[in-house]
Amino acid sequence: AQSVTQPDIHITVSEGASLELRCNYSYGATPYLFWYVQSPGQGLQLLLKYFSGDTLVQGIKGFEAEFKRSQSSFNLRKPSVHWSDAAEYFCAVAKYSGGGADGLTFGKGTHLIIQP
Amino acid sequence: GAVVSQHPSRVICKSGTSVKIECRSLDFQATTMFWYRQFPKQSLMLMATSNEGSKATYEQGVEKDKFLINHASLTLSTLTVTSAHPEDSSFYICSARAPRVQYFGPGTRLTVT
Repeated sequence: AQSVTQPDIHITVSEGASLELRCNYSYGATPYLFWYVQSPGQGLQLLLKYFSGDTLVQGIKGFEAEFKRSQSSFNLRKPSVHWSDAAEYFCAVAKYSGGGADGLTFGKGTHLIIQP
Repeated sequence: GAVVSQHPSRVICKSGTSVKIECRSLDFQATTMFWYRQFPKQSLMLMATSNEGSKATYEQGVEKDKFLINHASLTLSTLTVTSAHPEDSSFYICSARAPRVQYFGPGTRLTVT
C-alpha cells in the first residue's frame, strides 16, 4: 500500500531564510505527488504537483519541489520565506492509479513556524 | 482556483443524533467528490469517494451505515453521520474533482457531546 512520510512535525525558520520540507513516499508505480498548504479556516490549497516530465516542479507562492525517484522523495523548497508562509504543509500521493483526480493519501503534515 | 464550500463550518450535537454536512462545488460541476477525516494534529484520511447518481465507494474500515453519503447533483454531496458518538468528533473535509486535480472545502468541525 502506498504511504507518505513527512519526518518533520515542526520546523522553525527565520523570515527571509530558505526552507526545505521533506517528503518520502512509498508507491509501487509512477507516483502522482502533491504538496498542499492548510491555513486555519481555509481549505487545503494546492501548491504544486508532479505527474511526469521535468522532475523540478514550480508552484505557486514561490515554492518548488523536486522529484527524486532514486530516493523516493518529493521535497518542497522555497528560497526565502515570508511570515505569511506559516501554516501546515501536507505532502500527498494519489491513492490509486487515476492520477491527481483520485483520492489522496496524505502525510502527517509539517507545521511551519516563521520567526521574525 | 475553483471554490468548494462546506456547511456548516462547525456543529455540536448530542450523542445518538445524526448530523448532515454539505459539500458544494460553487463554480464547476463535479461528478466525483471525496470525503476526508482529520483528527487533531493528524493527517487527512480518505473516507469515501462520492459519485453523482451512484453509490459511494468507501475505504476499508469506514462504516458505510454510519457515514451515509449522497451525491444528488453535480454540485452537491452530503455526508450524514448517523447516531453520532463522541469518537466521531473530528474535522471533516470534502473535495471536488476537476480534471487532474481536486479542490478542497474549508472543513466542518464536528463535536459530539
